[in-house]
This record gives sequence, C-alpha cells and structure tokens, in this order.
Amino acid sequence: QVQLVESGGGVVQPGRSLRLSCAASGFFFKAYGMHWVRQAPGKGLEWVAFISYDATKEYYSESVKGRFTISRDNSKDTLHLQLNSLRPEDTAVYYCAKEDCAGDCFPDFWGQGTLVSVSS
Amino acid sequence: QSVLTQPPSASVTPGQRVAISCSGSSSDFGNNYVYWYQQLPGTAPKLLIYRNDQRPSGVPDRFSGSKSGTSASLAISGVRSEDEADYYCATWDASLSGWVFGAGTKLTVL
Repeated sequence: QVQLVESGGGVVQPGRSLRLSCAASGFFFKAYGMHWVRQAPGKGLEWVAFISYDATKEYYSESVKGRFTISRDNSKDTLHLQLNSLRPEDTAVYYCAKEDCAGDCFPDFWGQGTLVSVSS
Repeated sequence: QSVLTQPPSASVTPGQRVAISCSGSSSDFGNNYVYWYQQLPGTAPKLLIYRNDQRPSGVPDRFSGSKSGTSASLAISGVRSEDEADYYCATWDASLSGWVFGAGTKLTVL
C-alpha cells in the first residue's frame, strides 16, 4: 500500500535552515509528481510546493518562494524540502502528498507530517 | 487569484444531512475543478472528492460533491459521529501556478 513517511522536522532558530525528507513506498515514485503542504498549529492547510515526476517543473507558493527548494531523488524514492531563512511563521506540520492524475492532477495521498518549530 | 470561502463551522445531528459550501472569488474558479479533503482530529488530510463530484474508491457514497459556477458544495447524508472532522475545499489556481485551499469547515456531530 502507498506509504509516505516524513522526517527531518524539529526546533530551529529564526534564520536557520532545515531539510525535510519524505520516503515513499508502495507505488512507482518516479512516475508521480509530489507536493508539500503545511499546516500551522490550529490553522488550515497551506500548499507550499510541487515538483513534477521528472523534476523538470517546480512551483512554489509566494510565501516561500526564494527560501524553500523542493527536490527529489528518484533513485531513492525520496522527496525533499530545503527550508532556508526560516521565520516564526513557518512553524507548521509539513505534509508530503502524492499527486494523482485522473483527467487532471491533484494531491491524493498524504503522509502523516513532520513538525517544524521556528523559535528563538 | 482564487480565494476559497468556507463557513468556519457547521453542526448536524446523527443521521441527518449537512452541506458545506465553498465559494470561489475568481471567475477562473468557474472553469476549475474542486477537491474536498477530510481531516479527522490528529490525522493527515484524506482525499474525499475529486473533480467536483468523483469519489475515490473506499469513500462511502454518503459523501457527495457538486459544483455550479463559482460555488461548490460537499454534502454528507446519514451523518455519523465519525464524520466529525475538518473539511477543506481546494482548487488549482493557474494564475498562481499553485494550489489554493479554503480555510476549512469544522463539522460537529451533536
């Protein structure tokens, strides 16, 4: 069955960096686009970034553009999110999500998330 | 740029029907598909409806989606206590090249 397991979260000071990972299994990872979506404590969902199956396309939300970088290693079935210049407002649970395409493409299956806390 | 507006809360008694609305602010929203996600307390979101009204396998037919113009709706019939959750609508915004989520509706089963 499809599994997505995020890791790499933790407590970090403002201005510092963090790298999140998402280990995928149970599906042909290299054939699917992948998303990162975050959720601040007690708040709603906020889409963060997307990478196409072959890493030729990357999209970012305005709130993270220029600070975060999405990448993938198809040889290791792993998705990454590099978080630089972190701010307190980046505090959130970060979910990776697999894309599915049924006529059009959308996030379908989500991992359980990893918590990033930005605080001095 | 699409902004999706949902009511912050809704309540329903078991066995009854409830509808949760999602209104789009952009005329482009009329041409976009809407997706619905369910987030049970303490868990990751789960896809409930795709392409306005399609249910993934495993989602009970108590859940249904519809869309007309710039408004979409998620209906749950025969509500059960385990349906108590946050529900989010979402759409792709081509002008942003990104996904937009509504703020979510917290459903309380009385």
